[in-house]
Amino acid sequence: EAAVTQSPRNKVTVTGGNVTLSCRQTNSHNYMYWYRQDTGHGLRLIHYSYGAGNLQIGDVPDGYKATRTTQEDFFLLLELASPSQTSLYFCASSDTANSDYTFGSGTRLLVI
Amino acid sequence: EQQVQQSPASLVLQEAENAELQCSFSIFTNQVQWFYQRPGGRLVSLLYNPSGTKQSGRLTSTTVIKERRSSLHISSSQITDSGTYLCAMEHSSGSWQLIFGSGTQLTVMP
Repeated sequence: EAAVTQSPRNKVTVTGGNVTLSCRQTNSHNYMYWYRQDTGHGLRLIHYSYGAGNLQIGDVPDGYKATRTTQEDFFLLLELASPSQTSLYFCASSDTANSDYTFGSGTRLLVI
Repeated sequence: EQQVQQSPASLVLQEAENAELQCSFSIFTNQVQWFYQRPGGRLVSLLYNPSGTKQSGRLTSTTVIKERRSSLHISSSQITDSGTYLCAMEHSSGSWQLIFGSGTQLTVMP
């Protein structure tokens, strides 16, 4: 079954810590996205990618890096985590027509 | 300014009542999707509706692009319909990224 799988499900780190969120999709989609979801803001796009090796900046990229190592794998990196990055993070993938948009289950990150 | 506005922010219904959720956009878009999310849960795509009317079971979406709005009608609501309904439009850059509204939180009571 086509799916988007995120890991870890939950993560706690200290301010200044280094965090990597992982996402793998088996949809054979070209496009992958990282969103964060916060109360009052809905989902906001952090970074996205058209394919392996490609990276594009989203609407709220500050403090985040991303890397698309393969068609299937997209990583979100927080190299100096701050409390403002406490959030629920979603990965998604889509095909070129954007009519098939699949989300992962989310990673809840707490920065203390 | 938020580019996607949803109303109402929250809605409480009795089981079997109908729900009407609204979404408006600050810019023109070629792509509208509706998603469903349980609290803290995965988003599930409900309807992809760039224009006109689309139906899936008890869900009906109507999008009028020239008026920059879309609606989602839920008929005969069930307790399991409770959750957050998110409207999303394609970013104007055409790069397949979606911009989301803040959602309508629906609670269906027995």
